[in-house]
Amino acid sequence: NAGVTQTPKFQVLKTGQSMTLQCAQDMNHNSMYWYRQDPGMGLRLIYYSASEGTTDKGEVPNGYNVSRLNKREFSLRLESAAPSQTSVYFCASSEMTDRSEQFFGPGTRLTVL
Amino acid sequence: AQSVAQPEDQVNVAEGNPLTVKCTYSVSGNPYLFWYVQYPNRGLQFLLKYITGDNLVKGSYGFEAEFNKSQTSFHLKKPSALVSDSALYFCAVRDRVTGGGNKLTFGTGTQLKVEL
Repeated sequence: NAGVTQTPKFQVLKTGQSMTLQCAQDMNHNSMYWYRQDPGMGLRLIYYSASEGTTDKGEVPNGYNVSRLNKREFSLRLESAAPSQTSVYFCASSEMTDRSEQFFGPGTRLTVL
Repeated sequence: AQSVAQPEDQVNVAEGNPLTVKCTYSVSGNPYLFWYVQYPNRGLQFLLKYITGDNLVKGSYGFEAEFNKSQTSFHLKKPSALVSDSALYFCAVRDRVTGGGNKLTFGTGTQLKVEL
């Protein structure tokens, strides 16, 4: 039981390049989330998927797109990376009930030059 | 809207002493409250949550938290700190009346440093 896995662990991009961050969970959770973590700002929600087939914007969605590929997988795409997107990205999953805790992946450290 | 404040960027405590990491929240209705811990270069790990009932919640690694509705606080506590407790701690809140999925709002984090 791996929990939440993310690939890659590290990535360096040049401004304007694109990439996709992958996330998968094996806990049969309905809901999945993408956050970014920046120093002094805590975690900010980028996008979430309450259940398979649905996605919604979070607090900071600009410059990102997501795909809920199936119940297990939720990817985050940067179409044209900018230096402001340098951050650590975390994927999380949870049961659909609003009292459920979220389980986090190990993170992807992204640097955009 | 829901929000969380962690007023201290860093808390220093000596090993063996009690520790407190503060959290206050703001919600429209009643809250669900969570504490997470993050060790260096790792993802967040769930520590404990308040849903309803007893205001004192016990969690992993000897941590506990006290829900105080009148003060809108949910402070994290441990009776005797260990050096291994040194990490970044996040408080999070979910307003029960908010629709649209299980969205949490996180505080900015408090760095706990436990020294010998």
